[in-house]
Order: sequence, then C-alpha cells, then structure tokens
Amino acid sequence: ETVLTQSPGTLSLSTGERATLSCRASQSVSSTYLAWYQQRPGQAPRLVIYGASSRATGIPDRFSGSGSGTDFTLTISRLEPEDFAVYYCQHYDRSRLTFGGGTKVEIK
Amino acid sequence: EVRLEDSGGGLVQPGGSLRLSCAASGFTFSSSAMTWVRQAPGKGLEWVSSISAGGGSTYDADSVKGRFTISRDNSKNTLYLQMNSLRVEDTAVYYCAKRFGSGSLDYWGQGTLVTVSS
Repeated sequence: ETVLTQSPGTLSLSTGERATLSCRASQSVSSTYLAWYQQRPGQAPRLVIYGASSRATGIPDRFSGSGSGTDFTLTISRLEPEDFAVYYCQHYDRSRLTFGGGTKVEIK
Repeated sequence: EVRLEDSGGGLVQPGGSLRLSCAASGFTFSSSAMTWVRQAPGKGLEWVSSISAGGGSTYDADSVKGRFTISRDNSKNTLYLQMNSLRVEDTAVYYCAKRFGSGSLDYWGQGTLVTVSS
C-alpha cells in the first residue's frame, strides 16, 4: 500500500503570498491517479487538482499542480482569503484510495 | 446540478448497526462508481468503501472489512453503507462521493455524523 506524506503540516502565510505544498509517495505512483482536495472548516472536501496537474471545474488558475514519480506539489500562486484551508493529496490504485495527512494553510 | 445528500447518521452504542444513505441527482448515477470517505473529529480523510457503477464490484478498507457493506440501488439513485459491529473508533463524519475517471472524487455530499458511544 502506498503511503502519502504531506509537508509541512502547517503553512503560515499572508494573503497575496505564494503557497507550496508537498506530497511524497512511499513508492512511485502514476501521476494520472494523483489528486488534491481543499477542505474549509465545516465543509466537505472539494476537488482542486486531478491527474496531478489538471484543474477541476471552477478552480481558479492561481492553483497549479505538478510532479511525478514520488514527489508532487500543489502551488497557490497568490493566496486569497478563501484559500486558507486544509489541503489533502490522494492516490487511487486498483480501486483503493489513499489520502495524505493534510497540510493546513493558515493566515499568518 | 450534481447533488449528493447524505443521511442516516446518529448516535449508536458500540456493537450496534446503522445504515447510511446517499441520494444522488443531477448526473447519470447508474454510470458512476461511488465511494464512502470518513473523517474522525479533528482528523484527516480516510477511504472506507467503493462500489462500481453497476454494483457488481465492491472494495473495502481493511479497517471496515467484514463489518461494513456498500451497496446501491440504481433505480432509486441511492448509495448505501450498512455498518454493523460498530466501534468507538468508527465515530466520524461520513461522506459519499462520486468517483471521477482518474480515480479522484469530483462531487461530495455534505456528510452525516456517526457517533459510536455508550
């Protein structure tokens, strides 16, 4: 089973700054099956990135995903107030899903 | 508009049972694989179970195998999760979600809280 490790656990930034979130897999995975989600307090998760680099419907272009093999990155180019949330990476393999532990992006 | 409405959560004693439902609308339910994901209070996301579009294939996390059963009724556009032999550690918000082609989850229900406590 592939384990996903996200870092840092918490990222303290200001509005307008750039956020870089990391997701590392315990073994090489296909980028086709790597996704990122945003979860605001009290809300259900929302798909942000699928296929490692494709933005989901309605996601602004300040969000971008990259990476391959074992190292993947979610970048938010300029943080807006609504972007402060917890972000999870997720991998799909043989009908089973694995989530990373999450990175909280908080207001500095 | 795609909508997923989770229901059926509540307070149950350890060893008890509960059935969750997820009513779907706004897409072709019978063509979509579906998934249950849970989130314990203050914790991260955990995959629970998945089911194929036709219902013929199901997959469960080791933590719930043999206790939880995922099913669907495509004539009613509804997904279910039958939870038996519930444990305190099953306490969580349970979300149903629609699976996207790449294995990601593109639409989520609002979640239903299951509390297992004596």
